[in-house]
Amino acid sequence: AQTVTQSQPEMSVQEAETVTLSCTYDTSESNYYLFWYKQPPSRQMILVIRQEAYKQQNATENRFSVNFQKAAKSFSLKISDSQLGDTAMYFCASVQGAQKLVFGQGTRLTINP
Amino acid sequence: SAVISQKPSRDICQRGTSLTIQCQVDSQVTMMFWYRQQPGQSLTLIATANQGSEATYESGFVIDKFPISRPNLTFSTLTVSNMSPEDSSIYLCSVEMGAYEQYFGPGTRLTVT
Repeated sequence: AQTVTQSQPEMSVQEAETVTLSCTYDTSESNYYLFWYKQPPSRQMILVIRQEAYKQQNATENRFSVNFQKAAKSFSLKISDSQLGDTAMYFCASVQGAQKLVFGQGTRLTINP
Repeated sequence: SAVISQKPSRDICQRGTSLTIQCQVDSQVTMMFWYRQQPGQSLTLIATANQGSEATYESGFVIDKFPISRPNLTFSTLTVSNMSPEDSSIYLCSVEMGAYEQYFGPGTRLTVT
C-alpha cells in the first residue's frame, strides 16, 4: 500500500522568506503521480503543483517548485518569496494505479508579516 | 480544472438523523470521489462514485452508513445516515479531470449534536 509522510506538523516563516515543506512517500509502482494541495482556512482544497514520476525535471508553478528525489522517495515543496496568502495547511499526496489519492498528515504553514 | 459546488456548506444535525450532501460539477466527469476530513486531520477517502455503477467503498466505510448516488455525469450525493457525534467532520467531493488530477469542492462542515 502506498503511504505518504509529512514530518513537519507546523512551520512558520516571515513574509518574503523561502520555505521548504518535506514529504516522503512509499510505493511499489514505477509510474505514479505526486501532488501538493493547499487548504486555507476557507477549507477549499487547491491543487498547487503536480509531478509525474517518470519526468526527471522538477515541476515549477510561479513561486512554487518541487524537489523530486525519486530514489529517496522524497517530494519537497519550496515556496519562494512567501506571501501572507500562503498561510494554509499543505498536504502532500500520491496516486498510482487505481487513481486513489493518498494524503499525508499535512503541514500547517504560517506566514508572519 | 472544474467548478464544483456543494450543498449545504454547513449544517448542525441531531444524533440519529441523516443528512444528504450534494455535489455538482460544471462539466461531465467520469470519476467522482467523496472524502471525510475529521477535525485537525488529513483527508480520508470514503468511496469512489462512477456514473452507471455502484460506488466502491474504502475499508471502514459501508453503504448502509454512507449511501451514495451518481445519477449522471455532473452530480452526486452522499448521505450520512444515523449520525453520531463521531460523524462531525468536513465532507468533500472531488472529481478527476485527467492525468490523475483531482479538484475539490468547497466542502460541507457537519456538526452532530
